[in-house]
Amino acid sequence: GENVEQHPSTLSVQEGDSAVIKCTYSDSASNYFPWYKQELGKRPQLIIDIRSNVGEKKDQRIAVTLNKTAKHFSLHITETQPEDSAVYFCAARSGATNKLIFGTGTLLAVQP
Amino acid sequence: DAGITQSPRYKITETGRQVTLMCHQTWSHSYMFWYRQDLGHGLRLIYYSAAADITDKGEVPDGYVVSRSKTENFPLTLESATRSQTSVYFCASSERADQGTQYFGPGTRLTVL
Repeated sequence: GENVEQHPSTLSVQEGDSAVIKCTYSDSASNYFPWYKQELGKRPQLIIDIRSNVGEKKDQRIAVTLNKTAKHFSLHITETQPEDSAVYFCAARSGATNKLIFGTGTLLAVQP
Repeated sequence: DAGITQSPRYKITETGRQVTLMCHQTWSHSYMFWYRQDLGHGLRLIYYSAAADITDKGEVPDGYVVSRSKTENFPLTLESATRSQTSVYFCASSERADQGTQYFGPGTRLTVL
């Protein structure tokens, strides 16, 4: 079935450093790839997304890249801050439905 | 975010009891979803609905029942709760099939003793 793998499961960086989280997906027909941030005890919130006709998208300190050939996409956070500490989830939308398949999450800890 | 709400926010029940988790959205979104979140598994889709009276199974539907008589409501029922259904449950909604963006409710933490 459809699957999304996410790595690493935990990531610790120093404040100001960059953080990269990577995901691979199995369904070649997937056409939409959102990233969600979830703070402790809160709901997942969309931080950035990319569609299959775009290779890269930036929003201030965060960016997402997509390689359709290799079926992987990545989240890049630059100049990390303590408030970036959270769990980040990638997801891929099935090409045939509106269902999102989520990765298992990455716990990012930004050390001050 | 205030447009999608869940109730109750916390629930403790016993094995074998029926439990209904409520989800309400004020955006008139066509699509609604139920996920469960467990450590090590991320978010797993239980059921989803494309419109009123249209529902379909997700990845982990066993033990759950849904209905959608009105566009704004999407209740999730555990007909006979089991300890393995202890989890945090999130409802989400999406405006259109081609848009993709899902907006999540605040979650319900369910404990089955």
